[in-house]
Amino acid sequence: KQEVTQIPAALSVPEGENLVLNCSFTDSAIYNLQWFRQDPGKGLTSLLLIQSSQREQTSGRLNASLDKSSGRSTLYIAASQPGDSATYLCAVYGSNYKLTFGKGTLLTVNP
Amino acid sequence: SAVISQKPSRDICQRGTSLTIQCQVDSQVTMMFWYRQQPGQSLTLIATANQGSEATYESGFVIDKFPISRPNLTFSTLTVSNMSPEDSSIYLCSVAPQVETQYFGPGTRLLVL
Repeated sequence: KQEVTQIPAALSVPEGENLVLNCSFTDSAIYNLQWFRQDPGKGLTSLLLIQSSQREQTSGRLNASLDKSSGRSTLYIAASQPGDSATYLCAVYGSNYKLTFGKGTLLTVNP
Repeated sequence: SAVISQKPSRDICQRGTSLTIQCQVDSQVTMMFWYRQQPGQSLTLIATANQGSEATYESGFVIDKFPISRPNLTFSTLTVSNMSPEDSSIYLCSVAPQVETQYFGPGTRLLVL
């Protein structure tokens, strides 16, 4: 059974700092990996999707990497802003489109 | 991409009652999913709802408790039956218009008293 772990559970940083969120998964036989953002009281917003054949994806200040062999992914956020404050979720795709989520990292960026 | 709406956005219900949550997509999709997010927990898949077939439930979830309808390619409902306070959660639907890419609705926040 796939298990996804995210470290740290919570992170508080000053504005402007670069930061890294970590995600690990137990079964390396994944298809894709997706990072989401969840704001309080809101649904999920897709940030980056990394296909299994890719090593990384970039969108603006965000960069996500994937190392299937080691079962790890990282989300790098450059020059953090207060608007980046949210819970960041990592999810991996297994067979039959099924997504397994981590518990998330609660990020607070202080002005 | 896909734009998904859910109704209601939130509700407060009494134990023992049932609530039906609606999920509407702006395009036709075959695969639709229902998730639950309990307080402080991650999202857990309840069931996969494909049009034209019975929903497939994950371990720990049963049809009597969470009946699902999928009458067409743009709409689905999830009913939370005979509710208890343990059912207080956020319920989200998602769709997969492309292979291994899911888009999520805004969620329904349910509080059971």
